Amino acid sequence: GQNIDQPTEMTATEGAIVQINCTYQTSGFNGLFWYQQHAGEAPTFLSYNVLDGLEEKGRFSSFLSRSKGYSYLLLKELQMKDSASYLCAVRARRDMRFGAGTRLTVKP
Amino acid sequence: GAVVSQHPSWVICKSGTSVKIECRSLDFQATTMFWYRQFPKQSLMLMATSNEGSKATYEQGVEKDKFLINHASLTLSTLTVTSAHPEDSSFYICSARGAGTSGGVSSYEQYFGPGTRLTVT
Repeated sequence: GQNIDQPTEMTATEGAIVQINCTYQTSGFNGLFWYQQHAGEAPTFLSYNVLDGLEEKGRFSSFLSRSKGYSYLLLKELQMKDSASYLCAVRARRDMRFGAGTRLTVKP
Repeated sequence: GAVVSQHPSWVICKSGTSVKIECRSLDFQATTMFWYRQFPKQSLMLMATSNEGSKATYEQGVEKDKFLINHASLTLSTLTVTSAHPEDSSFYICSARGAGTSGGVSSYEQYFGPGTRLTVT
């Protein structure tokens, strides 16, 4: 099976930087994804890591350490619209499993 | 791009009836489609994985006779909730994965549909 853990809730201030951590245990690791999901909507893809290291895409960066079973999503220059749930998902073999999600609230 | 549509976007049905939800990949061929269920304030739970032309693989605890999945073509998968009950009320989301890199569609990313909100009264 898979265990994917991430904090339930986080709060940050507009313009700040926030890091959302994700730890996982799985066999047959085949990639880690981060998705953003606003209430009542489907998830939207943010990033994908399959090798160790940092992937940067605009205000969002994602890091992966396969040996530690650890990833983080870094959001810079936070905006109010970034208030959403952020889902860490791990693909093992051919299917993808999601963590419970981290609900981020951005305050003025 | 890679667009996945779902129909209907929301549905209300009476207890005991069946509901069919369609998931279509509009501009790419999806070799594999996934069905997820999401209850309020919870994460997505994988229900089943389906490959075109073969039987779906259901996750433990998901009743295959209750949640019928048909992946008849490379662009369409359907989920039928049979004899629906109020506890089946949920947000059902499908996702699709392409066969390879073509036209901006990757083989590693799953593209999600907009979801279907089912309410059983």
